[in-house]
Amino acid sequence: GAGVSQSPSNKVTEKGKDVELRCDPISGHTALYWYRQSLGQGLEFLIYFQGNSAPDKSGLPSDRFSAERTGGSVSTLTIQRTQQEDSAVYLCASSFGGGQGYYGYTFGSGTRLTVV
Amino acid sequence: LAKTTQPISMDSYEGQEVNITCSHNNIATNDYITWYQQFPSQGPRFIIQGYKTKVTNEVASLFIPADRKSSTLSLPRVSLSDTAVYYCLVGSGAGGNKLVFGAGTILRVKS
Repeated sequence: GAGVSQSPSNKVTEKGKDVELRCDPISGHTALYWYRQSLGQGLEFLIYFQGNSAPDKSGLPSDRFSAERTGGSVSTLTIQRTQQEDSAVYLCASSFGGGQGYYGYTFGSGTRLTVV
Repeated sequence: LAKTTQPISMDSYEGQEVNITCSHNNIATNDYITWYQQFPSQGPRFIIQGYKTKVTNEVASLFIPADRKSSTLSLPRVSLSDTAVYYCLVGSGAGGNKLVFGAGTILRVKS
């Protein structure tokens, strides 16, 4: 597609349930990032994929969070046993190569997760 | 990763030029400076990127002094639709980079 696509756009889940968030990056972009943004806050880095290299998981807040990227394209962020503090907008971004590139990163519109 | 400092908020009026300055004292030799704009309920959008001196595109200008320890995003003749959060980031153009976002600057444009 022309942009980064994320689904679902909104997700309401009960505390303790698992959720999966999906990101379809721009075709050909080798780098993919997940960020989290709580209400009124800046973006918090979660995880970074670059090609076939091992992902940089340094931003994942706990072992309840995991992500995978299949075939170097689509990525899924999984949150197990969701807690209310997990409520946030989860943003995915992709870029051509690992650096910022001339046009920087392209972000999706995010998935708004609400844990009740 | 170089840390950035920007004003928390700024107010302006339609038609005025707005300059938002970002400090990045620990910028590395191979770091680029990139600005993003974020509207409510949307992901950040790339505005402009530079390494040194001045860069201009159809949206904004970016001024970077010789020591590169700061940069200024200039928005000419702002309109109400420019009300957004603006983020300044620095990072390497090489592989393995991850962007670290600060709190950004909330720009409010009034009529």
